[in-house]
Amino acid sequence: QKEVEQNSGPLSVPEGAIASLNCTYSDRGSQSFFWYRQYSGKSPELIMFIYSNGDKEDGRFTAQLNKASQYVSLLIRDSQPSDSATYLCAVGAPGYSTLTFGKGTMLLVSP
Amino acid sequence: ETGVTQTPRHLVMGMTNKKSLKCEQHLGHNAMYWYKQSAKKPLELMFVYSLEERVENNSVPSRFSPECPNSSHLFLHLHTLQPEDSALYLCASSLDKMLDTQYFGPGTRLTVL
Repeated sequence: QKEVEQNSGPLSVPEGAIASLNCTYSDRGSQSFFWYRQYSGKSPELIMFIYSNGDKEDGRFTAQLNKASQYVSLLIRDSQPSDSATYLCAVGAPGYSTLTFGKGTMLLVSP
Repeated sequence: ETGVTQTPRHLVMGMTNKKSLKCEQHLGHNAMYWYKQSAKKPLELMFVYSLEERVENNSVPSRFSPECPNSSHLFLHLHTLQPEDSALYLCASSLDKMLDTQYFGPGTRLTVL
């Protein structure tokens, strides 16, 4: 049984701060890692994906992957109130029919 | 039209009704998915289709019946639903079923009276 764990939050940060969202996964064979953002009542939208160990940056977002520790994180720099949403971590591994999603972490950015 | 579309966006039905949800993807993908998301709960995978063949059925009650006539279209037929089936139903697609990015449609908000 493949598991993806996230702290449900809410994670509260002030506007302009760095928000750090974490995700751990159980299957050491996992190869693809995704972060989705979901606003209340809306569908998930892809923010970033990462396949290799290390950091990947896209604008204010940085995904970090450490396969040895089975850990993936998302950093949001200069957090804005519009970043307030639930962030879903998803992991893909060979042998499974689809991605496995975590339960999500709610982020609240206060003005 | 691009991306993944779903119709209707909102649906209210009685427990004795029969209705269908439609999903269409314009991305040239080979895999399509149905998810259920209840209020304040995580995504629940319902069905996975790869090249029009059902590859996963996550113990979903038989009152939900999927259909995938081609790689661009996916339906979810509903009959004799229960109030606890009220949820956001999300369709997604990906190039391949295992490792690829999934792109979600806007969802159908279903209310069962």
